[in-house]
Amino acid sequence: KAGVTQTPRYLIKTRGQQVTLSCSPISGHRSVSWYQQTPGQGLQFLFEYFSETQRNKGNFPGRFSGRQFSNSRSEMNVSTLELGDSALYLCASSPRTGGSYEQYFGPGTRLTVT
Amino acid sequence: GENVEQHPSTLSVQEGDSAVIKCTYSDSASNYFPWYKQELGKGPQLIIDIRSNVGEKKDQRIAVTLNKTAKHFSLHITETQPEDSAVYFCAAPISGNTPLVFGKGTRLSVIA
Repeated sequence: KAGVTQTPRYLIKTRGQQVTLSCSPISGHRSVSWYQQTPGQGLQFLFEYFSETQRNKGNFPGRFSGRQFSNSRSEMNVSTLELGDSALYLCASSPRTGGSYEQYFGPGTRLTVT
Repeated sequence: GENVEQHPSTLSVQEGDSAVIKCTYSDSASNYFPWYKQELGKGPQLIIDIRSNVGEKKDQRIAVTLNKTAKHFSLHITETQPEDSAVYFCAAPISGNTPLVFGKGTRLSVIA
């Protein structure tokens, strides 16, 4: 099976702009979670989508949003970018069935805000 | 909510020696404990996991032990090799449900 794919891999944006990141989960996986990874804060949960519905949300401002499509692909959007949004954004997919909690990560999108 | 603490933050071992990384968690309802390995420029890779009804699980040179009473779990790597050098993360779900709360990571260096 193909793994989790994320596009783009690298992105440079300016403060105030907005950005959209994309994630394609492993085939058959219906859950997609997004995490932000920074050297200072480590891996922090943003949100989880399952069958196009947001199931869980982390403690991030409303500038961070996401959605999931009927084919389980997911996008996350960050509006009004701030310097502190520079991070590696990771997407993880999970089958989320039968009590299965395994999450498989993609390679991430490295976002730099200048 | 769940809080996961991981120690040590850095660990250096000689090739062939064993490495042990420990994590503690706060939510007694947590029932799934994965370990991830992250190499430079890559996303975290699930290397082993354990559920709360099992005390130990082994996969070749890697093993994880779980002590539910003490609320801690550990990763054991035996016969370490240079390719084991990476950052390792432990995690636990919030109240038995995803999402995962991650430890701060342990940078393991295996010296040849």
